[in-house]
Amino acid sequence: DVKVTQSSRYLVKRTGEKVFLECVQDMDHENMFWYRQDPGLGLRLIYFSYDVKMKEKGDIPEGYSVSREKKERFSLILESASTNQTSMYLCATSPRLAVGELFFGEGSRLTVL
Amino acid sequence: AQSVTQLGSHVSVSEGALVLLRCNYSSSVPPYLFWYVQYPNQGLQLLLKYTSAATLVKGINGFEAEFKKSETSFHLTKPSAHMSDAAEYFCAVSSGGATNKLIFGTGTLLAVQP
Repeated sequence: DVKVTQSSRYLVKRTGEKVFLECVQDMDHENMFWYRQDPGLGLRLIYFSYDVKMKEKGDIPEGYSVSREKKERFSLILESASTNQTSMYLCATSPRLAVGELFFGEGSRLTVL
Repeated sequence: AQSVTQLGSHVSVSEGALVLLRCNYSSSVPPYLFWYVQYPNQGLQLLLKYTSAATLVKGINGFEAEFKKSETSFHLTKPSAHMSDAAEYFCAVSSGGATNKLIFGTGTLLAVQP
């Protein structure tokens, strides 16, 4: 089975702090994604990566950056956390040619005070 | 641009009743369509997918969906609801391609009453 592991299930941070969310996959998938999930808004794509050191902006990249130095690891960075970034963050992976078949981690619930 | 609209943010059915969750899509190219399910405190998992083969698609746990191009719809159904079906369901659309981007709907929370 594909395993997508997000480093923290629950985090509480203060406004202005730098926040790192880590995602590691064990299936050698080329594509990795970060989504944000909010009630009534569904999932919105923040960033995705289709190869090591490659990244593209999704629909809501403002206030976020990403890093992919190794194929199995994709990090989401909040340079200066704000209260409106309180949310559930979901990491997902997929093989390059498997259209639409994403494998998700369990999510990281971030609260910014 | 592509989008999906899920009608009804909350749906409640009785155990044993028909489940119908509605999804309409908008796409300027032939779409790939998906339903994902999220159980409490878990990530999403793929329920079923339409990739331009058969228009009636069967998925896991007895769910199925029918692609209707004339109605731009991809509604999810199950003949008989079970308590374990209580979850949030997301419809999604993709234009395909190597980067595999999905656009998700806002979700429908299904409650199953005993």
